[in-house]
Amino acid sequence: AQTVTQSQPEMSVQEAETVTLSCTYDTSENNYYLFWYKQPPSRQMILVIRQEAYKQQNATENRFSVNFQKAAKSFSLKISDSQLGDTAMYFCAFMNSNAGGTSYGKLTFGQGTILTVHP
Amino acid sequence: DADVTQTPRNRITKTGKRIMLECSQTKGHDRMYWYRQDPGLGLRLIYYSFDVKDINKGEISDGYSVSRQAQAKFSLSLESAIPNQTALYFCATSGDRGYGYTFGSGTRLTVV
Repeated sequence: AQTVTQSQPEMSVQEAETVTLSCTYDTSENNYYLFWYKQPPSRQMILVIRQEAYKQQNATENRFSVNFQKAAKSFSLKISDSQLGDTAMYFCAFMNSNAGGTSYGKLTFGQGTILTVHP
Repeated sequence: DADVTQTPRNRITKTGKRIMLECSQTKGHDRMYWYRQDPGLGLRLIYYSFDVKDINKGEISDGYSVSRQAQAKFSLSLESAIPNQTALYFCATSGDRGYGYTFGSGTRLTVV
C-alpha cells in the first residue's frame, strides 16, 4: 500500500516571499501520478499541480512549481511570490497508474500542511 | 451549477440516527468516491465506485454503506451514527485518472 507523509503540520510565510512545502511517499510502483491540492477556508478542494512520474521535468503552474525526486520519493511544492490568497491547507496526494493493482485510480493523501501568508 | 454537488452542506445529527449524504455530478464520469477528512489525518477513502455495478470498500468503510443509483449519483449512508463519525465528508469524481479528481464542496457532519 502507498503512504504519503507531510511532515510540516503548519508553515508561515510573508507576503511576496517564497515557501516550500514538503511531501514524501512510499510505493513499490514505478508508474504513478502525484498531486498537490489546496483547501482554502471555503473548504473546496482545488487542484494546484500534477506530476507524472515518468516525466523527469518538474511541473510548473504560474507561481507554483514542484521539485520531484523520484529516487528519493520526494515531491515538494514551491510557492513563489506568496499572496494572501495562498493561505490554505495543502495536501499532497499519490495515485497509482498501473491498471490491475488494488490501488489503481485511487488517491492517497498526506496529512496536510496549513500555510499562512502574512501581510 | 457545480460539477459535483453534495447535500447537505452541514448537518447535525444524534447518536444512533440513520443519515444519508447525497452526491451528484455533471461531469459524465464513471468513477466516484467518498472520503472523510479529519484533522491531522488528511482525507481517507471510505468507498469508491468505478461504474454503476462496481462498488468497493475503501480503507475505512466500517459503519458506512453506499448506493450508486445512476452514473451521476452516489450516496453515502451512516446506518447508526456515532460521535467519532463527526468529520468533513467529500464526494469526488474522476475521468482520466491522470488528471485527479473533481471534488464537491463537502458535507460537515456532526454527531452529538
